[in-house]
Amino acid sequence: AAGVIQSPRHLIKEKRETATLKCYPIPRHDTVYWYQQGPGQDPQFLISFYEKMQSDKGSIPDRFSAQQFSDYHSELNMSSLELGDSALYFCASSLEGGGAKNIQYFGAGTRLSVL
Amino acid sequence: AQSVTQPDIHITVSEGASLELRCNYSYGATPYLFWYVQSPGQGLQLLLKYFSGDTLVQGIKGFEAEFKRSQSSFNLRKPSVHWSDAAEYFCAVGMNTDKLIFGTGTRLQVFP
Repeated sequence: AAGVIQSPRHLIKEKRETATLKCYPIPRHDTVYWYQQGPGQDPQFLISFYEKMQSDKGSIPDRFSAQQFSDYHSELNMSSLELGDSALYFCASSLEGGGAKNIQYFGAGTRLSVL
Repeated sequence: AQSVTQPDIHITVSEGASLELRCNYSYGATPYLFWYVQSPGQGLQLLLKYFSGDTLVQGIKGFEAEFKRSQSSFNLRKPSVHWSDAAEYFCAVGMNTDKLIFGTGTRLQVFP
């Protein structure tokens, strides 16, 4: 079965650079979620989109922005990167909107290293 | 504030032994409860979930979990652990919003 696809899998950037992470949800899933997992930490919710509109927002820095496109894929844009942004970024998708009862299926993540 | 506590940071068991991973949550109502597993370098895979009904839920890979309202707990169990079960296990809580709140995880090590 098709899963959530994230690209790239690994990304190395310098401080103050920008990065774009991409997420392709499971076919027919209409909701995407972004999480950040720092080293040795639990995943922290950043933001979610349902039908191309922002659905919920967590602890996402102002330097980050995200959107969901007409084909339901999503991109997380990160600017003015800081060392503390080094983390594993997960995308998840679900069917029929957000809300906790919709099971979130996670991708393998993008590991971002900021040097 | 809502929170999820996994008291055991690291657990080591022998292959074939039974396993119980603890999870406690703090929330005013009964949340939706999940267990995810993360193998090294991999994403999060859903093991099982509890929404309502029977408090003992079965998941994949032989795992089960029991919801106990009186203890605000949702402990994960497996009767006989396999070496391939070595991974990080996360308990998560969902409410009436999109986000999942994760516990800090329990790292399981399995000795042959």
